[in-house]
This record gives sequence, structure tokens and C-alpha cells, in this order.
Amino acid sequence: GQNIDQPTEMTATEGAIVQINCTYQTSGFNGLFWYQQHAGEAPTFLSYNVLDGLEEKGRFSSFLSRSKGYSYLLLKELQMKDSASYLCAVNWDRDDKIIFGKGTRLHILP
Amino acid sequence: GAGVSQSPSNKVTEKGKDVELRCDPISGHTALYWYRQSLGQGLEFLIYFQGNSAPDKSGLPSDRFSAERTGGSVSTLTIQRTQQEDSAVYLCASSLEGSGRARAGELFFGEGSRLTVL
Repeated sequence: GQNIDQPTEMTATEGAIVQINCTYQTSGFNGLFWYQQHAGEAPTFLSYNVLDGLEEKGRFSSFLSRSKGYSYLLLKELQMKDSASYLCAVNWDRDDKIIFGKGTRLHILP
Repeated sequence: GAGVSQSPSNKVTEKGKDVELRCDPISGHTALYWYRQSLGQGLEFLIYFQGNSAPDKSGLPSDRFSAERTGGSVSTLTIQRTQQEDSAVYLCASSLEGSGRARAGELFFGEGSRLTVL
């Protein structure tokens, strides 16, 4: 199958750092996306990783280990507006199908 | 257009009726995707198009679901004989390039069509 696993919910405090993990099937892996989705809104693109390593973009960073089938999204200096669902999505086998995980609902406490 | 446009934004229908959902992608985007999202759930892949062809229809839940894309642009998702379990938000997304290449095909999503089957 093309299982993508991520925690269902997480809670963190404003100003803190949180790491959201995602694991996936490695066979045929091509690339991994992270999307943010606020309640009642469409998902918006955060990052795309193809190669191993950390990619930083402002307060958000995304890490990928191809050999371990593992990625994480790191959010720093959390703000209340970061309360949202974070969706891990994977593309396999060099085709154009993109499969999403069930998402992680992140709650930020003041 | 400036973004991905979907219509209708809301549709309430009776069980057994047919519905058509429309997606107008960003001009020039070659790849188009349909997803379904039930309340509080993740995105369920339905189908994607590269140009007018659909290489993978494996995500369509049943033969009551079909989709087409014409002129490499507008796509229609049709659900025949709707059932209550079809109630969900249907999201369309388009991308400039397929993600199967070295450069990411970032997905741009529409606001979705919320379908309620009574």
C-alpha cells in the first residue's frame, strides 16, 4: 500500500517549537509535500522535499530522510494563527499522483 | 483565471439524484486533481489528469463516479445516484508541472464544493 502515517493531534504553546512527524512507504518514493489547512479553508503549500536534509523557510522547516521513509515539519516561534491541520503528502513512482496523509491537527495554547 | 475556481460552492441534493461538480484550473496548468474530504478527515485521492487523459482512476470510490477534462482545462466530476456517504467537500487542485519530475508540481487548491446528500 501507500501508507502515510502522522499523528492525529498535537498541542503546543505559543512561542514554543513543535515537530510534526510523517512516515511513508519508501518503495518508489519520489518526493514529499507539506501543506497547511485552516478549518474550512483549502490547503496551502508549505514545502517540498526530494533530497535528504533540512530545508528552512522562515519559521517553518522540513526534513527528509529517504532511507528511513521519514519526514518532519518543524514550526518555530509558534503563533496562534499556526493552529491548523498539517498534511503530509507523497508522490511515488515518478507519476503525478499525490497521496495525502490524514493530517495532524495542531492546537496552540496561549 | 487568478486561481482555481470550483462550482457550485454548495450543493444539497436528494439521495438518488445525479450531481456535477466543475473545476476551472489556473490557466496553463497541465495537471488537475480531484480529492474528497469528509468532515475532520484527510484528503482522499479520487483521480488526476495530465492534459485530458486520466492515467490513474483507481481512487474513484465506485462506478457511480466519473470525471472528464476537455481542452486541457475545465474538468467535471459527476456522481450518479448519489448516496448519503457521498456527502463531503470535493476539492480540485491544479499544478503547472507534474510532480513526477525533478521540480515540484505545487498544488493550488480551489475552495471546494460542499456536497450534502439528504
